[in-house]
Amino acid sequence: AQSVTQLGSHVSVSEGALVLLRCNYSSSVPPYLFWYVQYPNQGLQLLLKYTTGATLVKGINGFEAEFKKSETSFHLTKPSAHMSDAAEYFCAVKESAGGTSYGKLTFGQGTILTVHP
Amino acid sequence: DAGVTQSPTHLIKTRGQQVTLRCSPKSGHDTVSWYQQALGQGPQFIFQYYEEEERQRGNFPDRFSGHQFPNYSSELNVNALLLGDSALYLCASSTGLAGGPRGETQYFGPGTRLLVL
Repeated sequence: AQSVTQLGSHVSVSEGALVLLRCNYSSSVPPYLFWYVQYPNQGLQLLLKYTTGATLVKGINGFEAEFKKSETSFHLTKPSAHMSDAAEYFCAVKESAGGTSYGKLTFGQGTILTVHP
Repeated sequence: DAGVTQSPTHLIKTRGQQVTLRCSPKSGHDTVSWYQQALGQGPQFIFQYYEEEERQRGNFPDRFSGHQFPNYSSELNVNALLLGDSALYLCASSTGLAGGPRGETQYFGPGTRLLVL
């Protein structure tokens, strides 16, 4: 079975400060990892994903994440927060082929990011 | 290129009624997944359709059923509605089985917000 834990349901930063959203996962087979963003009353938009290869993944809007297998983590960072980054962020895991639940995304509970001027 | 579309955007039903939600996948996509997102939570996987068959199912009762049409569009049906079925229902589309070694991305629609009174 796969699961995702996002540490901190709410994170508040000042504009221009570092953004760090934490995600830890468990998976019985090598995972694919995703970060999605959800703005109020909207669906989910993909920020970035890790499948194979380079463990540091760059996404849209200046976000990046690093896959650390030894720590089973996939934390999301952005060097300098912008007011428009205020939203809810979801980490998700999908088992690669061979897993019993491949194909489905398992999401964390989400982290609401607030950016103060 | 139209993304994933869902209809209706909002829906109000009463307990015991039945509801049908509709989804059109992104152009070129043949796999549709449905998720339920309760208020303040991450999306939960309901089921996935490929080649007009349910390929995988999450932990949802048989009251939740679906269908995929030859044009890859899909419907989610919920019978005997309960108050707890109130949620945002998200449709996601992808190519193939969405679980192959390439780790295809699931693209989400804006969702249908269902309120059960």
